[in-house]
Amino acid sequence: QVQLVQSGAEVKKPGSSLKVSCKTSGGTFSNYAISWVRQAPGQGLEWMGGIIPIFGIAKYAPDLQDRVTITADAATATVSMELSGLKVEDTAVYFCARAVTEDLYYNAMDVWGLGTAVTVSS
Amino acid sequence: EVVMTQSPATLSVSPGESATLSCRASQSVNSNVAWYQQTRGRAPRLLISAASTRASGVPARFSGSGSGTGFTLTINSLQSEDFAVYYCQQYNNWPPTFGQGTKVEIK
Repeated sequence: QVQLVQSGAEVKKPGSSLKVSCKTSGGTFSNYAISWVRQAPGQGLEWMGGIIPIFGIAKYAPDLQDRVTITADAATATVSMELSGLKVEDTAVYFCARAVTEDLYYNAMDVWGLGTAVTVSS
Repeated sequence: EVVMTQSPATLSVSPGESATLSCRASQSVNSNVAWYQQTRGRAPRLLISAASTRASGVPARFSGSGSGTGFTLTINSLQSEDFAVYYCQQYNNWPPTFGQGTKVEIK
């Protein structure tokens, strides 16, 4: 049973950077894209970007590509998402999720982490 | 980017009745649409991929249909655990995009 285990809640200041991790356990790590999806309080879902670990190349949503970096570490089966230049409106729950199909950057996502709550406040 | 528009925003349904949720894409996304269920405070759960393929463990009362620009999620004989928010997502065009959600509430 594949599980995605995310790092804990964070409180950040505006202008600072955030790094959230997502560790895969119980399944194949390298061939399935891991995406990051965030959800602001009371709002819908926003896809931020994703990476296929075996390729090591990430793709990003246009609105965030200047601020987000997604990396993968095969040794620890962990994908990390770093968001720089934090704004109050980056306050959200950040989810990592695995694609249904191998070798596709964007797809339906069938395995989700529990989410990491991030608060950006001065 | 492709805009996914869901309707209605809120659907009031009695337990045991059926619910029909709609999702319209601003351009063709073929059959590359997924539906997710989210209950308060939890991660989304995949229900349907490829417009009509139920995910593992999803009850048969959930069904999806459509292609191109129009998609439907039908829930038959609503159970208490089905009252939640439902999102559609297209993954045909870059970047993947979600609808704004439909809340299914108890009537």
